[in-house]
Amino acid sequence: NAGVTQTPKFQVLKTGQSMTLQCAQDMNHEYMSWYRQDPGMGLRLIHYSVGAGITDQGEVPNGYNVSRSTTEDFPLRLLSAAPSQTSVYFCASCWGGGGTYEQYFGPGTRLTVT
Amino acid sequence: AQSVTQLGSHVSVSEGALVLLRCNYSSSVPPYLFWYVQYPNQGLQLLLKYTTGATLVKGINGFEAEFKKSETSFHLTKPSAHMSDAAEYFCAVSLYTSGTYKYIFGTGTRLKVLA
Repeated sequence: NAGVTQTPKFQVLKTGQSMTLQCAQDMNHEYMSWYRQDPGMGLRLIHYSVGAGITDQGEVPNGYNVSRSTTEDFPLRLLSAAPSQTSVYFCASCWGGGGTYEQYFGPGTRLTVT
Repeated sequence: AQSVTQLGSHVSVSEGALVLLRCNYSSSVPPYLFWYVQYPNQGLQLLLKYTTGATLVKGINGFEAEFKKSETSFHLTKPSAHMSDAAEYFCAVSLYTSGTYKYIFGTGTRLKVLA
């Protein structure tokens, strides 16, 4: 199993550009989530999904969209990039609906917005 | 609001010394509790978790944590630090809210191990 994969590993955007961060998992996990990691702030939840067709907002959803058309894929879209979105983004997946199960993390995408 | 607090953003210990990383949570209902480790330029990986049952939980690499409900704490310990333990450690809780589970992470503690 590849686990959780994320592409790209690095990305530089100009302010106002849009892009999609890709996330895929091959473990048949129902629960998937996106986090951003900033120095001194830990991981903050952006959006999450408890199954195909079901998504919900986390702590910092503004400026980001998600969709979940399949169990495997959970892309994160930046609508109009801003310097405040410079961060490291992690996708994670989890068995079932979450709760007692641990999350499996991808290797991250390092995004810089200039 | 539910939260997770990790005391000390940076902790330094000598090789062979005790490691103690602190985590407190605020929740009206005992949550499920996790510790993750992040090595440089990598994603997070699970060290250990508490769900139910025995309050002393053992994890990988010699780490353990004790759930203390009265203190709302879940501190991480290791009797003897090794150089390879240098990493960032995150405490997290899983809380049932609005019909689903959400994971909330602390701000992390960076552990430095001195030779």
